[in-house]
Amino acid sequence: SQQGEEDPQALSIQEGENATMNCSYKTSINNLQWYRQNSGRGLVHLILIRSNEREKHSGRLRVTLDTSKKSSSLLITASRAADTASYFCATDAWNTDKLIFGTGTRLQVFP
Amino acid sequence: DAGVTQSPTHLIKTRGQQVTLRCSPKSGHDTVSWYQQALGQGPQFIFQYYEEEERQRGNFPDRFSGHQFPNYSSELNVNALLLGDSALYLCASSAYSGGNGEQYFGPGTRLTVT
Repeated sequence: SQQGEEDPQALSIQEGENATMNCSYKTSINNLQWYRQNSGRGLVHLILIRSNEREKHSGRLRVTLDTSKKSSSLLITASRAADTASYFCATDAWNTDKLIFGTGTRLQVFP
Repeated sequence: DAGVTQSPTHLIKTRGQQVTLRCSPKSGHDTVSWYQQALGQGPQFIFQYYEEEERQRGNFPDRFSGHQFPNYSSELNVNALLLGDSALYLCASSAYSGGNGEQYFGPGTRLTVT
């Protein structure tokens, strides 16, 4: 079963715009990770945020985590056509490191 | 530094057959997890291997089994294939101790059952 859901399910933007996608989950977590997947290929690890962190940056990526609302957001700034992909959040609960994935957001960036 | 590798890339099998998929973890990693990703869905956890033993298992039938070798590589075996087993199978590796929880995925094996 899926842990939670990403929102929106699909997002279309122009190059240079910012893209924001949200993730909700159901149980207490140890950390939350965001992954990118291009055209049904393998998952690329983007960023990990721990349950005691509220915000993290990596290049053009900004991730926030609100454990009280059991939600996270991924912001991609100044998007590029190459950012076109599906984005998944994944959580692992305390005392387990199996990842539980959401349903994903399909991002389309038009040049 | 080689990342996670998987073989084969694609596989076509017939219902009732058996299949074996292979995974080599990222250098320095000792834990391997397997996931099944159906079309349009997020990956679902099958099981995880560490020290050549299955540590955790998701909600998959016993037709799904695995193995980890002393060099940390792993195999996923699926018996009595069903049409519904058609999916992308992903392997992920991580470091059990000293790791920060990040899991790195391979490119996947696309299994088609006809």
